[in-house]
Amino acid sequence: GGIITQTPKFLIGQEGQKLTLKCQQNFNHDTMYWYRQDSGKGLRLIYYSITENDLQKGDLSEGYDASREKKSSFSLTVTSAQKNEMAVFLCASSIDWGHSYEQYFGPGTRLTVL
Amino acid sequence: GDSVTQTEGLVTLTKGLPVMLNCTYQTTYSPFLFWYVQHLNEAPKLLLKSSTDNKRTEHQGFYATLHKSSSSFHLQKSSVQLSDSALYFCALRRYGSSGNKLIFGIGTLLSVKP
Repeated sequence: GGIITQTPKFLIGQEGQKLTLKCQQNFNHDTMYWYRQDSGKGLRLIYYSITENDLQKGDLSEGYDASREKKSSFSLTVTSAQKNEMAVFLCASSIDWGHSYEQYFGPGTRLTVL
Repeated sequence: GDSVTQTEGLVTLTKGLPVMLNCTYQTTYSPFLFWYVQHLNEAPKLLLKSSTDNKRTEHQGFYATLHKSSSSFHLQKSSVQLSDSALYFCALRRYGSSGNKLIFGIGTLLSVKP
């Protein structure tokens, strides 16, 4: 089996700060995703990438940048942290072939902005 | 556009009772539905999936049947346990030009009491 690792586990930032979250997977999956999880709003897709150096915007991409430096890693940048923002950012990956369509998730990065 | 609706935000039950968590969807494509479970401070994990009309799918005591006629994929269990306390998400595969994207419902928090 494989695993998805997200760093850091907890991230505390200041208003206006640029913050970077990192994700690594050893499934050898082609596609990787970044989601934002807010209480009562489910999981919303921020960015995804179908291969190295590819980037596709999701439903919530404004205020974020992403980078897929290599197949196993996908990073997300909050370009300007908003005061009192609190959310969990989840990274996921999936196989692109077959009929599984299952996404595997990491444990999340918890963001608090002071 | 495609959407997923989970009507209950919180379900509280006593151990040993049956549970049904509602999930309905809207899509113009052939539906592929998922249930994910997220225990406290853990990553979401796939519980069930189905794209076959009127066929019951089961895993770890939970079961669901995709009904295309009513656009539903409700999650059920005949006797809940304390360890079933978690956040449950229904998700719909979103068709598009690239990637295996999912649309998630807002989630239902299941709380099982002794």
